[in-house]
Amino acid sequence: DAEITQSPRHKITETGRQVTLACHQTWNHNNMFWYRQDLGHGLRLIHYSYGVQDTNKGEVSDGYSVSRSNTEDLPLTLESAASSQTSVYFCASSEGTSWDEQFFGPGTRLTVL
Amino acid sequence: GEDVEQSLFLSVREGDSSVINCTYTDSSSTYLYWYKQEPGAGLQLLTYIFSNMDMKQDQRLTVLLNKKDKHLSLRIADTQTGDSAIYFCAESIGTDKLIFGTGTRLQVFP
Repeated sequence: DAEITQSPRHKITETGRQVTLACHQTWNHNNMFWYRQDLGHGLRLIHYSYGVQDTNKGEVSDGYSVSRSNTEDLPLTLESAASSQTSVYFCASSEGTSWDEQFFGPGTRLTVL
Repeated sequence: GEDVEQSLFLSVREGDSSVINCTYTDSSSTYLYWYKQEPGAGLQLLTYIFSNMDMKQDQRLTVLLNKKDKHLSLRIADTQTGDSAIYFCAESIGTDKLIFGTGTRLQVFP
C-alpha cells in the first residue's frame, strides 16, 4: 500500500547542530509539505514543494531549508538548531489537483537542548 | 491575513452531541476540511464540504457552512470515547495549500 513515512520518529539534538528530518511518500504525489505543530498554534507551514526542483517558503521558514531532487522525498534541514525549534514536525503530500486532501506522516518529535 | 480560529478545548459526556466550531477568513476557499488527530499520530481527513454547499451529513458527522459569517462547524452525534482527539478545520486557498486552525481537543468522559 502507498504511504508516507518520516524518520526519525524522535530526535534529541543540541543547539547549533545541523539536523535533517526525512520524509518519503510512495503515492507519486506532486505536492509535499512540512508543518510544525505547537500548542496554541495548530499546524504552521514551514516549506512546500509542487514538484521536483520546486521549493517554496511557508509561514515559518526562517532557520529551515528543503530540497526536492525526486518525487518521493522532501528532507527538511535545520541549519543550526535552536531551542525554539523544539516541536513536532509533520510531513504531508497531496496529488496537486483541485482536490487538496493532504496525507500526513506520523510525525517527528524534535527536542533541541 | 490568513487566520483560521478554533476554541482549544471541548469536553462532552459519552452519548451526547459534540459541536466544534471554526471561523476562517478566505472567502474564496474551494473546500473546507475537518481533520482528526489521534494521540501520537498524524492528521487524517475526517470529512470535507465544498464551498457551494450549506450542509453535509456523513453518518454521525454533520458539517455546517455559513459562508456569510465564514463559520464552519462539525457536529458529532452520539459521541464515543473513541472520538477523543484533536480536530482541525482547514481551508484551501486556491494554490494547493491548506491553512489549518489551531485545533480543538475533544475529551469524551463516561
